[in-house]
Amino acid sequence: GQNIDQPTEMTATEGAIVQINCTYQTSGFNGLFWYQQHAGEAPTFLSYNVLDGLEEKGRFSSFLSRSKGYSYLLLKELQMKDSASYLCASMDSNYQLIWGAGTKLIIKP
Amino acid sequence: GAVVSQHPSRVICKSGTSVKIECRSLDFQATTMFWYRQFPKKSLMLMATSNEGSKATYEQGVEKDKFLINHASLTLSTLTVTSAHPEDSSFYICSARGLAGDSETQYFGPGTRLLVL
Repeated sequence: GQNIDQPTEMTATEGAIVQINCTYQTSGFNGLFWYQQHAGEAPTFLSYNVLDGLEEKGRFSSFLSRSKGYSYLLLKELQMKDSASYLCASMDSNYQLIWGAGTKLIIKP
Repeated sequence: GAVVSQHPSRVICKSGTSVKIECRSLDFQATTMFWYRQFPKKSLMLMATSNEGSKATYEQGVEKDKFLINHASLTLSTLTVTSAHPEDSSFYICSARGLAGDSETQYFGPGTRLLVL
């Protein structure tokens, strides 16, 4: 079956660094996506990894290991506005996104 | 770039009426559009996938006669909730994928919050 696992909730301190992990099992693989979703709003695209390694984009970085079926999203210099749910999604062989349940990130001052 | 709009953002209707939601890709051509619904504090649930000019592909358990999808052009898809019931109240979100940057990324509209009384 197809499965995406990510922690349900994480808490971090403003100014710190947090890593949100995601493991995936999908029928085929065409890339791993991370989206941010604030409460009551639609998801916004953060990153797309299709090759192994780290992709850095400002305060956010995303890592992929295809052999391990593993990705993480790294958020640096956390700000209060980063409090949101972070959704991991794997694209399968049919180019369909298989979604994780999301990780709710709580930032404390 | 890669902006998707959705209209209306919020709608309240009476039970038994039909509601149409529009999804538009504003600055790119969307070869594929997706319709999701999301209940509070729950993950996204894919309802259907539509390609321009062809019939939508519905996910298991989604009634195609109740949720009518039309993808008439490369920039517009509509979802019509027919004979709405209170249990159809939800957050409906569309996304579009196509000729914008990398062609695999889905870009989401802002969502439509439907409340059926």
